[in-house]
Amino acid sequence: SYELTQPPSVSVSPGQTANITCSGHKLGDKYAYWYQQKPSQSPVLVIYQDTNRPSGIPERFSGSNSGNTATLIISGTQAMDEADYYCQAWDTNTVVFGGGTKLTVL
Amino acid sequence: EVQLVESGGGLVQPGGSLRLSCGASGFTFSSNSMTWVRQAPGKGLEWVANIKQDGSEKYSVDSVKGRFTISRDNAKNSLYLQMNSLRVEDTAVYYCARVFSWYGQIDYWGQGTLVTVSS
Repeated sequence: SYELTQPPSVSVSPGQTANITCSGHKLGDKYAYWYQQKPSQSPVLVIYQDTNRPSGIPERFSGSNSGNTATLIISGTQAMDEADYYCQAWDTNTVVFGGGTKLTVL
Repeated sequence: EVQLVESGGGLVQPGGSLRLSCGASGFTFSSNSMTWVRQAPGKGLEWVANIKQDGSEKYSVDSVKGRFTISRDNAKNSLYLQMNSLRVEDTAVYYCARVFSWYGQIDYWGQGTLVTVSS
């Protein structure tokens, strides 16, 4: 079965850029999606189809996807961005999530 | 405004059954595929099952095949998950979510319902 691998944790200073990676075999041939989840809340879509932001998501969130790696980029990270982030892709009619990355802003 | 409201969670003994429901509003329910995603306590998101708009195609993760069944009633704007032969490892918050398009983004999520499997 298809697998997506994320680093368990990423730390970033306020105002700096956070890069959260997601690796999978030929992931660049698929679309990558990213979700943000804060404690005790439901996930929220922050990036779809590799690079697109849904309405209401700040411009500091962006994404890329090439080769075997998709990346969520948070520019000018703010304290409110501290959360768990999950990548997701589709494989043969099934949904696959990465293990999640805890972003700490310190 | 899109709303998804899950219900039916609770405490059940191993081997027992539970039926989760998800009421949808704010969009044309019959136009979207739907999905169930779960999250065990302190763990990550795990996809459980998908169903297409008309219910003609359903897919589920291997760990629930033969035990869980996803279904929908478009006349009632409702999504269901019938869970049988429950195991301790099925303990999780179960989210109902809307799929924008097949192979597309999961764009709206419910608040989740907690299922606890314990003796």
